[in-house]
Amino acid sequence: AQRVTQPEKLLSVFKGAPVELKCNYSYSGSPELFWYVQYSRQRLQLLLRHISRESIKGFTADLNKGETSFHLKKPFAQEEDSAMYYCALSGDYGQNFVFGPGTRLSVLP
Amino acid sequence: SQTIHQWPATLVQPVGSPLSLECTVEGTSNPNLYWYRQAAGRGLQLLFYSVGIGQISSEVPQNLSASRPQDRQFILSSKKLLLSDSGFYLCAWNPVGTSSYGYTFGSGTRLTVV
Repeated sequence: AQRVTQPEKLLSVFKGAPVELKCNYSYSGSPELFWYVQYSRQRLQLLLRHISRESIKGFTADLNKGETSFHLKKPFAQEEDSAMYYCALSGDYGQNFVFGPGTRLSVLP
Repeated sequence: SQTIHQWPATLVQPVGSPLSLECTVEGTSNPNLYWYRQAAGRGLQLLFYSVGIGQISSEVPQNLSASRPQDRQFILSSKKLLLSDSGFYLCAWNPVGTSSYGYTFGSGTRLTVV
């Protein structure tokens, strides 16, 4: 069965510090992995997807199939990065998305 | 461009009353449509998904039902609300057969059952 875990409910870092939001998954096939973000009073939106290997707002995430991880990283956190972050995994044909429980990132001044 | 609309934004309903939340998508055809509930500490829980008109799959047993009367319309309903139905409900869509695109979410409905 598909499963996504995010071990940290809350992560607090100081502005300018590196940040890493952890995500681990279990899936028997080849997964599609995503990170979603929800800023205060805004809708949940796609941040990045592993297949595009992109960097969005300074965030990157590398799929590590050996460790079944897809950690989200940013070298220098900004206060505007404070939000709720969800890791998600997609099964076949995009129908079976599974989301992790989410991590609330708080960037302190 | 594609857009997704969800309403109402907030709703306060008494226990035992009916519920109808509506979601519509514009700018695309034959989308996959989803209803999620967002619960603190539990992340996003998939309630229903639909791959076409009249085709509904339920992921968890509950007091809710879903319908897709038109290609781009997805409705979440209940005949009698329970206190435990309170929560934040999200509608989402993605193109058929493309897992790589991720989802696009509506702005959500905050439901409070009193």
